[in-house]
Order: sequence, then structure tokens, then C-alpha cells
Amino acid sequence: EPEVTQTPSHQVTQMGQEVILRCVPISNHLYFYWYRQILGQKVEFLVSFYNNEISEKSEIFDDQFSVERPDGSNFTLKIRSTKLEDSAMYFCASSRRTSGMENTFGSGTRLTVV
Amino acid sequence: GIQVEQSPPDLILQEGANSTLRCNFSDSVNNLQWFHQNPWGQLINLFYIPSGTKQNGRLSATTVATERYSLLYISSSQTTDSGVYFCAVVGSSNTGKLIFGQGTTLQVKP
Repeated sequence: EPEVTQTPSHQVTQMGQEVILRCVPISNHLYFYWYRQILGQKVEFLVSFYNNEISEKSEIFDDQFSVERPDGSNFTLKIRSTKLEDSAMYFCASSRRTSGMENTFGSGTRLTVV
Repeated sequence: GIQVEQSPPDLILQEGANSTLRCNFSDSVNNLQWFHQNPWGQLINLFYIPSGTKQNGRLSATTVATERYSLLYISSSQTTDSGVYFCAVVGSSNTGKLIFGQGTTLQVKP
């Protein structure tokens, strides 16, 4: 069964450092998403991406965050200058359509900012 | 925006018991998924069920879209069923993002 692959599974970084979280969505999917889950809380939407541009972003997704699809297979989330409150599990997801189709999630990257 | 409410927030069961988890949503939806978050934090997709009923082994789910709720049934629970169960929906007017409920934390005791 096709999978969404995320790397790394865990990352520890110092406050103020840049991090890049990587995702390989399912190959025939067209819509890509990043979600965040702070420990003990619910999963929150960050951003959706379609046709090489952001289609929607949440209030959480401020200027410190960016996404890109550099080579047609990878989908990355960059945090420019990490803060302690960025510590969370980050999930990538993809789907073939925006509706009428399930979203497939990756296993997540646990980011710890120290 | 659309609101998703799950109940109960916490549930403790003895192994072998049955349970029903509920998800209410405040508007019409194009997509509804149930997830199980395991102890390692992974989100395991259980069902894609915007309407109707599906079964997969000891788990089944029913969504009544006209009444804006979904139910997840777990029968003959096992300790491995422990974890957090999330309901998530895509509203009918947005770009495909999933809105998650707060989850139900299930603990199954041996």
C-alpha cells in the first residue's frame, strides 16, 4: 500500500536554528498538507499546497514557516528560527482530491527545540 | 469554521468490553476520517467514512451526515486498542484541510 514518508522521525535542535522537515507524498497525489500536534493536544492544520503554491494556511503558519516542493517528489516544511513553542509532532499528509478522498498521513517528525 | 466535538474525552475499559466513541460536527462535511494515535505518536487511519457504515474486524463506524455525527464502535477491546482516537472532517467549503476533534483517550486494562 502506498505510504507517505517523513524524515527524520526525531529531530532535536537549538532555539534559533533553522530546521527542514521532509516528506515524500504518494506519487499520484496532488494535494499536500502539514499539520502540527503539540504534546497532549489535538492535531492542527498548518498549510495546504497545490499546483506549486500555498492554497490555504492557518494563523500558526507565520513568516517563520515556509513550504516548497523542490523536485516534484519531496515536500518540505522549513522553520527559519525555531522557538521553544515549535516543539511538536509535525505530520505531512497528501490526497488526490480536496474532497471525496481520504488524506493519507505520514508517521510524523517529532521536533524538540531546546 | 466547522467545529468537531468528541465524547467521551476519556474512557477506561476492561479487556473484552465494547465501547462507542462519538463525533459531532457543526456543518456539512465532504470527508470524515477516524484515526488511532498509537503510543509512538503515529496517526493510523481507521476509516474514511463521510456517510454510511463500514466494518474492519472488531472496529466499525457509522456516519449519519444529515444529523452531523459519526460513531466508532470497538468490540471485544484489547490492550493494543489503547491510545487516542481522533475524528477529523473536511468541511464542504474549504480546501481539503482536516479539522480534528480533541480526541478520546482510551485505556484498555488487562
